[in-house]
Amino acid sequence: DVKVTQSSRYLVKRTGEKVFLECVQDMDHENMFWYRQDPGLGLRLIYFSYDVKMKEKGDIPEGYSVSREKKERFSLILESASTNQTSMYLCASSPYSRGYTFGSGTRLTVV
Amino acid sequence: KQEVTQIPAALSVPEGENLVLNCSFTDSAIYNLQWFRQDPGKGLTSLLLIQSSQREQTSGRLNASLDKSSGRSTLYIAASQPGDSATYLCAVRPVQGGSEKLVFGKGMKLTVNP
Repeated sequence: DVKVTQSSRYLVKRTGEKVFLECVQDMDHENMFWYRQDPGLGLRLIYFSYDVKMKEKGDIPEGYSVSREKKERFSLILESASTNQTSMYLCASSPYSRGYTFGSGTRLTVV
Repeated sequence: KQEVTQIPAALSVPEGENLVLNCSFTDSAIYNLQWFRQDPGKGLTSLLLIQSSQREQTSGRLNASLDKSSGRSTLYIAASQPGDSATYLCAVRPVQGGSEKLVFGKGMKLTVNP
């Protein structure tokens, strides 16, 4: 089975900190995605990557950046964390034109 | 712009019932449709993936059908159990735009009462 691993289940960070969320997949998938999920708003795409060093903005990229230096790893970076970035963050990967596999999520609280 | 709708937003049923969960999408030009399950505080678990050329997929007590022309998919759960309680989401991958992005519905929260 494909595994998508998110490095932390729960994180608490202070306003203004630089935050790194890491995601690793073990099946050589081309595509990787970062979503945030908030009550009533559903899943919103932040960024995705379709190859190493390639990235595209999703629907809500403001305040975030990403890095994909190796195929298996996709990092989401909050440059200066703010309280409105408190959310559940979900990473996913997929091979070209196939289904998504999600990680278990990171619940980030910014205080 | 593709939109995915799941109605109702929540459903509560007694154990043992056979259930039909609905998903509708506005543009029939899709590559595939995927059903997910999400337990509280957890990530999404893929249940079934239906490619655009397929009409249905089955896994255990689950059966998903796809009718592209009418923009609908249903997830059928046979003999529901309390362990089926979760939020169910459907998502489509649109042809338009040529990207790998999915468009998600907001989900349906299912509660199966013992």
